[in-house]
Amino acid sequence: KNEVEQSPQNLTAQEGEFITINCSYSVGISALHWLQQHPGGGIVSLFMLSSGKKKHGRLIATINIQEKHSSLHITASHPRDSAVYICAVKRGTDKLIFGTGTRLQVFP
Amino acid sequence: DAGVTQSPTHLIKTRGQQVTLRCSPKSGHDTVSWYQQALGQGPQFIFQYYEEEERQRGNFPDRFSGHQFPNYSSELNVNALLLGDSALYLCASSFPLAGRETQYFGPGTRLLVL
Repeated sequence: KNEVEQSPQNLTAQEGEFITINCSYSVGISALHWLQQHPGGGIVSLFMLSSGKKKHGRLIATINIQEKHSSLHITASHPRDSAVYICAVKRGTDKLIFGTGTRLQVFP
Repeated sequence: DAGVTQSPTHLIKTRGQQVTLRCSPKSGHDTVSWYQQALGQGPQFIFQYYEEEERQRGNFPDRFSGHQFPNYSSELNVNALLLGDSALYLCASSFPLAGRETQYFGPGTRLLVL
């Protein structure tokens, strides 16, 4: 079993829909990252969380440390949100452990 | 600020050859991590460099080695390339500060081994 599990693996939505991507992890962590990866490979860091909730524009990320679970929400989704969204957890100071990603496609 | 830069963007090699990938961290960052991302998979941690030393290493063979220079830029070297080394190689830089650390990723180098 992977230390970081994401669901769903693939997600399609119509423009304007509210989207939720989930991440569960099984190890102790110091922080959790949500990352966005577009075709071509470049990765953009969206959020780093160690507790609670963060919001940036139409993106909201929450984390529940006790339940070892985090969610990424996208409100009013748009075709330009189409990408792979990756959850990664940080153990100590050294490395990130990545989930396999959720591939999101938003259609007009 | 150019952010994290990597070179080259694409590379084709044959089995048995050696390859060197390069990474320049974001300005002010002193820590560089390297990741390998196979097609359809999440990135896997290779190793991390800080103060020119390898600080931690993932589950990769000794064919994978690295270096960090005094200006914090870094190289990833892979010897005796195998077909399975074909992947996107990502570099990320960070500056640990009071327990808060965000990693900034470069665009990656796509390596194809034939």
